[in-house]
Amino acid sequence: EPEVTQTPSHQVTQMGQEVILRCVPISNHLYFYWYRQILGQKVEFLVSFYNNEISEKSEIFDDQFSVERPDGSNFTLKIRSTKLEDSAMYFCASSDTGVLFEKLFFGSGTQLSVL
Amino acid sequence: KQEVTQIPAALSVPEGENLVLNCSFTDSAIYNLQWFRQDPGKGLTSLLLIQSSQREQTSGRLNASLDKSSGRSTLYIAASQPGDSATYLCAVIGTGTASKLTFGTGTRLQVTL
Repeated sequence: EPEVTQTPSHQVTQMGQEVILRCVPISNHLYFYWYRQILGQKVEFLVSFYNNEISEKSEIFDDQFSVERPDGSNFTLKIRSTKLEDSAMYFCASSDTGVLFEKLFFGSGTQLSVL
Repeated sequence: KQEVTQIPAALSVPEGENLVLNCSFTDSAIYNLQWFRQDPGKGLTSLLLIQSSQREQTSGRLNASLDKSSGRSTLYIAASQPGDSATYLCAVIGTGTASKLTFGTGTRLQVTL
């Protein structure tokens, strides 16, 4: 069964450093998303991406964050100048026709620890 | 602002029991509701999706119902097994968005032998 893959599974970084979280969505999917889950809290929406542009973003997704689809297979989340409060599990997700119509497929996540 | 709440927060049942997980949401203007399963340290797996015009969806031993007007959904698990142990999350997508899922707090289920 096709799956969303994320690398790395764990990332440790120093406060103020930049990190790039990588995702390979399911190959025929057109809609891409990033969510995050701070330990003990709810899963939170960050951003959705379609047709090479952001379609929607949350208030969390400020200028510190950016997303990119650098080629036909990868989807990345960049966090500039990381803060302690950025420590969380970051999930990539994808869907074919969009979340209004079908299930969302999630990757296993990248656990980001900012020290 | 949409708020999604799940009760109970944790549940422990013996194997073979039927059980019900509850989800409530404050704004009934939704496109759909999804139930997810989350295993420790892993991603989310979508179990069932119910469109706002539907009343229920079934997949194997799972049955999800939706009462949009009262802002409630239930996930019924029949004949529970130890392999069902996980955290179950519900999430809604409101009509004010095309892509943002709002998640609930989750119910941690333990099925014992």
